[in-house]
Amino acid sequence: EVQLMESGGGLVQPGGSLRLSCSASGFTFSSYWMSWVRQAPGKGLEYVASIKQDGSDKIYVDSVKGRFTFSRDNAKNSLYLQMNSLRAEDTAVYYCARDVRAAAGRHYFDYWGQGTLVTVSS
Amino acid sequence: EIVMTQSPVTLSVSPGERATLSCRASQSVSSNLAWYQQRPGQAPRLLIYGATARATGIPARFSGSGSGTEFTLTISSLQSEDFAVYHCQQYNNWRTFGQGTKVEIK
Repeated sequence: EVQLMESGGGLVQPGGSLRLSCSASGFTFSSYWMSWVRQAPGKGLEYVASIKQDGSDKIYVDSVKGRFTFSRDNAKNSLYLQMNSLRAEDTAVYYCARDVRAAAGRHYFDYWGQGTLVTVSS
Repeated sequence: EIVMTQSPVTLSVSPGERATLSCRASQSVSSNLAWYQQRPGQAPRLLIYGATARATGIPARFSGSGSGTEFTLTISSLQSEDFAVYHCQQYNNWRTFGQGTKVEIK
């Protein structure tokens, strides 16, 4: 059974940093692109970032470029999202998700974790 | 950026009735469209990909149609567990989601 479990969320002040983790099991982790998707309170889903199987390629939405860093450790079946210079608008539930690569650059998501809440507030 | 617009925002339906949800893209996304179900407090679940293909384990009462800019998710006979929020996502050019449609009990 595919399982994804996020951790590391919490309350942080504007300008602060937080590191999210996602632990994966039930599939060959190193064979998949993986992503983060977030959902602000009462809002729709927003794509955040993706990482290639070996970590050699990373994609970010413009609003987080230069502030967030996505990494993975295939030996530990884990993902990490280092979030710096956090803003109030980053407040959201952050989900890790497994990518399905329909074609080059065309991804949707077939499994999602339960999410971890990040609140940016003073 | 391709903007995805879902309608209606809220759909009130009685159990056993049919529900029809719409998703419109601001430009053509071909058939590169997915639908997700999100029950309260839960993670999204993939229902449909490629506009019409049901994901593994998804009941046949869920069906997707459309291509280009207009898409529809139909739930043929609503069960209690189907009352949820439904999101569409295009993956033809980047990855963008609609704002969601909440299906509630009438």
